[in-house]
Parts: sequence; C-alpha cells; structure tokens
Amino acid sequence: DAGVIQSPRHEVTEMGQEVTLRCKPISGHNSLFWYRQTMMRGLELLIYFNNNVPIDDSGMPEDRFSAKMPNASFSTLKIQPSEPRDSAVYFCASSSPTSADTQYFGPGTRLTVL
Amino acid sequence: AQSVAQPEDQVNVAEGNPLTVKCTYSVSGNPYLFWYVQYPNRGLQFLLKYITGDNLVKGSYGFEAEFNKSQTSFHLKKPSALVSDSALYFCAVRAPYTGGGNKLTFGTGTQLKVEL
Repeated sequence: DAGVIQSPRHEVTEMGQEVTLRCKPISGHNSLFWYRQTMMRGLELLIYFNNNVPIDDSGMPEDRFSAKMPNASFSTLKIQPSEPRDSAVYFCASSSPTSADTQYFGPGTRLTVL
Repeated sequence: AQSVAQPEDQVNVAEGNPLTVKCTYSVSGNPYLFWYVQYPNRGLQFLLKYITGDNLVKGSYGFEAEFNKSQTSFHLKKPSALVSDSALYFCAVRAPYTGGGNKLTFGTGTQLKVEL
C-alpha cells in the first residue's frame, strides 16, 4: 500500500489567499484525521471523520477552516482566508478498527503564509 | 476524558546505553496505548501498541514498552541506544471502543538525543 498521501508537500501563499490541502487515506481505512503541528502548540487534532462523517471538529481554530470528506478515498482541508499564524505542518492520518485504530500518518504539508 | 503526560521535554543518552522515555496516562477503563516516532521533516511513524495481553510489548527498531496498570504508565525502552534513534517520540492513548469517538490523545512529545 502507498500509505497516506498528502498534497501538496509544500505550499507558500500570501495572506488572504485560499489554501486547500488534500489527503488520500489508506485504502480500507474508515477514519481520517487532520492535525496541525507547530513549535509553539505541538500536535493538535483539528477534525476527524468516521465513514466520511465529521465526528469531532472542536479543534478547528475558527470559521476560516473547513474540512470535507466527499468519499472514502479523499479529504480536503481548506483555509479561507489564510493568515500568517496558520503557518504550520498539516498532517493527515487514517485508521481502521481492524488494527485497533492505529493511526498511520501522511508525510505532511508544510504551509507558509506570508 | 483521556490524557497523556510525557514529563520530559528532552532525554539525552550516550550511544550504547539503555534509554527510557516516560509516559503516563489517564483514561476510563482499559486503555489502548501507542508510541510514535517523528524524524525531522517527516510524519509520525507507528512504533508499537498495547491493547491487551502481555504487559511487555515489542515494536520496531528494537524498541519495547511496558504497560504498568497500577502506575498508569507505558514507558518506552531500548536496551542499547543508537545515534539514529535521535528523534521526537510521542505517546498516545485511546479509551476502550465505545462505538463513538476513536481518536487518539497524544502527549506533547519527548525529544531523544543520542550522542556518541
């Protein structure tokens, strides 16, 4: 299996622009998680989905952030408008109850907002 | 609510010496416990997990962890450290499956530095 795939790997944008991060989970996994990692705040869970349905979005910082999972093999995290404080590494992870919900992480998207 | 504590921000050890990275947890019921490692500019990689059974769990790269229910701990260990083990280590916990949420709660991470 190719593992969790994220794109783009790096994104540099200007403040106010819309940013869309993409994730393809491991085939057969039914849970998908979006995390953000910064030096200041560490690893934060933003939102997660079970069977394409959002379960907990309490970690989404504000209304500028939104996430969707239109099908079992694709999810997006959108920031509109972006701000410099959104600069971070964003990780996607997926899991399956058949492996006791072990999460497998993608390589991350490094976002820089100028 | 479930929580994890990693009391040390950084652990330094000499190559060849044993290493321990500490983790304590708080959860209702019997926990699922995990260790992950993160190398620079990489995503988190799964190392090992405890679900049930033998309290000593063996994982990748020669790492092992011991589940101690009375002390609510799940310390990561390796008998002989390598310089290449230098990385950021995360402990995580999940409450027993209740049919609802299945998220993991991660600790703040411990930076392991192995020196020659």
